[in-house]
Amino acid sequence: NAGVTQTPKFQVLKTGQSMTLQCAQDMNHEYMSWYRQDPGMGLRLIHYSVGAGITDQGEVPNGYNVSRSTTEDFPLRLLSAAPSQTSVYFCASSYTDEQFFGPGTRLTVL
Amino acid sequence: SQQGEEDPQALSIQEGENATMNCSYKTSINNLQWYRQNSGRGLVHLILIRSNEREKHSGRLRVTLDTSKKSSSLLITASRAADTASYFCATDAYNNNDMRFGAGTRLTVKP
Repeated sequence: NAGVTQTPKFQVLKTGQSMTLQCAQDMNHEYMSWYRQDPGMGLRLIHYSVGAGITDQGEVPNGYNVSRSTTEDFPLRLLSAAPSQTSVYFCASSYTDEQFFGPGTRLTVL
Repeated sequence: SQQGEEDPQALSIQEGENATMNCSYKTSINNLQWYRQNSGRGLVHLILIRSNEREKHSGRLRVTLDTSKKSSSLLITASRAADTASYFCATDAYNNNDMRFGAGTRLTVKP
C-alpha cells in the first residue's frame, strides 16, 4: 500500500493564480481531510469528507474548495491564491479514529 | 480556534531521561490522540485514549487523561535520539469528524 500520497511536494504561485493540490489514498478509507500547518502552530482543519459525494467545512475553509467524487481522491482547490495561504498542507485519511497523514505540500504564494 | 494547548513548547533532555509533555483542552471530548511529527514529514499516530479511560500504555509511551481538569500527559520513558520530533495532541471536541490540534511540543533528545 502506498498509503496517503500528495502531489506536488513543492509549489510556488503568484497572487491570484489557481491550483489544485492532489491527495489520494489506497486504504479504502471513507474519511479524508485537509489541514494547513503554519510555523509555531498546530494543524488547522480546512475541509473534510466522510465519504464520496459528502464534504464539510472545518476551522479555516475560506479560500479553499474541495470535492469528493471517488473514495480514493480528495483534491483541494485554491481558486485565487493569496500570500496568507502560504503554508504546508497535509492530507489525511482514516477508517476509525487514527488518521494517516500524507507527506505534505509546501506552498508559497508570492 | 485551537482546542489543545501543549506545554512546554520546547523540551530538551539527554538520552535515557524521561520526557513529559502536557496537553490542556477546553471542551468535553470523546477521545484524545497524540501524534508525532519528524521535521519536514507528516504526522504519525502514537496513541488514542478515550474519555472513559484514565491511563494507557504503548511500548515506552504512557498517556494519562484527567477529564475533570481537561488535561492529558504523554510520558516517553528512556528517551532516544530518534524520539527527537514535535508532539501534538488532538481532540474531537467539536464533532467526531473535526479534529483540533494543539501547537505542539518540540522535543530534542541529545545523544
